[in-house]
Order: sequence, then structure tokens, then C-alpha cells
Amino acid sequence: DVKVTQSSRYLVKRTGEKVFLECVQDMDHENMFWYRQDPGLGLRLIYFSYDVKMKEKGDIPEGYSVSREKKERFSLILESASTNQTSMYLCASSLLGTASYEQYFGPGTRLTVT
Amino acid sequence: GDSVTQMEGPVTLSEEAFLTINCTYTATGYPSLFWYVQYPGEGLQLLLKATKADDKGSNKGFEATYRKETTSFHLEKGSVQVSDSAVYFCALTPYTGTASKLTFGTGTRLQVTL
Repeated sequence: DVKVTQSSRYLVKRTGEKVFLECVQDMDHENMFWYRQDPGLGLRLIYFSYDVKMKEKGDIPEGYSVSREKKERFSLILESASTNQTSMYLCASSLLGTASYEQYFGPGTRLTVT
Repeated sequence: GDSVTQMEGPVTLSEEAFLTINCTYTATGYPSLFWYVQYPGEGLQLLLKATKADDKGSNKGFEATYRKETTSFHLEKGSVQVSDSAVYFCALTPYTGTASKLTFGTGTRLQVTL
């Protein structure tokens, strides 16, 4: 079974803090994704990566950055957290090529910024 | 741009009732269509898929048919169970390429009662 794990299930941070969300997958997937999930808005793509050290902006990259130094690990960074970044963050991974539409998701990190 | 529209939730049904969750899409070309499910406290997982017009995806008693003429991909199940209570997301990808980006609908919460 593919396993995608996220470093925390719940996180509370203060406005202005630098926040790191970590994601690790164990199936040697090339693609990794970060989404945020908000009620009434569904899932929105923040960033994705199709290879080590490669990254591409998604639909809502403002206020976020990412790092992929190893194939299995994809980090989301909030440089200076703000209250409007309070949300559920979901990481996903997928294979390269024709099977890349099937994404495997982690359980999510619920981040609260106060 | 591409978009997915789902019926508003929550949907509340009694066990053994018939389920329909409507999904329509807007996309250029010939997208692939998916239903993902999110059980309480878990990440999303792929429920079923259809990659071309008139394809029927099916899994765990759920079905959806790719209707190009009506740009729809409605999810159906003949007899729901309490264990089907979850949030259901319709999604599309315009192509199965290097890193297939998924566009999600807003999700529909299903609550099944005894």
C-alpha cells in the first residue's frame, strides 16, 4: 500500500511565524503535490513537483514556498504565517506518465494561525 | 479555465436508499474524470475513474458514466450503507501527462443513517 505521511495532524502557530509542513511518501513516486482544503472551496493546488529540486506553482502559490531535496520528501513553507492561511493542508503523490492522474493523499494537517 | 461543479451538500439518506451526486464540468479537449472519497479523519482516495466519453467507472457499488454531450459525470449507488458516509469529490484532469494536475469540485458530504 502506498503511504503518504504528514508530520502533524494538528498545528497551532502565531501570526508571523515561519511554518514547515512535511510530507513523506514511500512508493518512489515522482510527482508530489500540496493542496489546501477549505469549506465551500474544495481542494486548491498550491505547488507541485515532478522531480527532485523541481517545483511548479499551482493555482494559489502566494504566501507559500516549497522544497524538494529528496524524492520522497516534499515540504511546504509558510514564510510568515497569516490568519488567512488557517486551513487543512493535504499532500499527495503520484507516478509519472499515464498513471499520474491517480493521486495518493496523506491524512492532512489542520493548521490554525492565531 | 477548467472547472467542476458539484451539487451542494450535505446529502442525508437512510440506509439502502438510492444515491445520486451530480457533477458537471467545463474543460477544453477531452478530460479524464474522477470521483475521490474522503472518509472522516483520512485523506482522499480514488473511488473510480473514466478516461473517455461513454466510459463507465465503477467500484464498491458506485458507478459514474462519462457523458460528453451533457458534460456530466454523476455518481450513483443503488443502496447506500452507513459506512458510505464521507465527502465525495468530483475531479478532472485535462491530460495524463508528466504531472497531471487535478481540478476538484467543492465536495459533497453524504450522511447515511440507520
